[in-house]
Amino acid sequence: KNEVEQSPQNLTAQEGEFITINCSYSVGISALHWLQQHPGGGIVSLFMLSSGKKKHGRLIATINIQEKHSSLHITASHPRDSAVYICAVRSNGGSNYKLTFGKGTLLTVNP
Amino acid sequence: ETGVTQTPRHLVMGMTNKKSLKCEQHLGHNAMYWYKQSAKKPLELMFVYNFKEQTENNSVPSRFSPECPNSSHLFLHLHTLQPEDSALYLCASSQDSGGGRTKNIQYFGAGTRLSVL
Repeated sequence: KNEVEQSPQNLTAQEGEFITINCSYSVGISALHWLQQHPGGGIVSLFMLSSGKKKHGRLIATINIQEKHSSLHITASHPRDSAVYICAVRSNGGSNYKLTFGKGTLLTVNP
Repeated sequence: ETGVTQTPRHLVMGMTNKKSLKCEQHLGHNAMYWYKQSAKKPLELMFVYNFKEQTENNSVPSRFSPECPNSSHLFLHLHTLQPEDSALYLCASSQDSGGGRTKNIQYFGAGTRLSVL
């Protein structure tokens, strides 16, 4: 069992819908990252969280440390949001650079 | 544009070939990383270099040989690969692999899609 589990694996939405992607992890962490990977392959860092909530444009990321759970929300989704969204965690006590990744959630937003 | 450039973007090679992947970062970072991304699997860390010194080899087979001549450039030399090595190989960099959370935010390249026939 992967230390980082994402759900759903695949998500299809209509343009304008509110999207939620979930990430659960089993270890103590110092930080959690949300990453976006477009079909071309490149990965972009969206958020780094250690507590609470962060917002950037239409994207909102939340984390509940006690429940070991994070969510990524997209408001007013658009076809250009179609991508794989990856959750990654940095474990407490591990190497500062070492990230454990989820398998990703493939989001398709239809016009 | 993340400031991390990988070449080539696509590579097809036979099992007896020798090829190299190149990564260059223009961010002034001191740490560079190689990752492997196979279908349906999470990203796997392969190698880490910090200030040109290798600090992590994640049990990678010797047919993959990294080289870091300076903090801006990272190579992955490939020889006698197997079909199961076909994957997307991603390079990343961060300010410093040994520093705090902010210094370890990693910036990724677009990857090299490798097919081994």
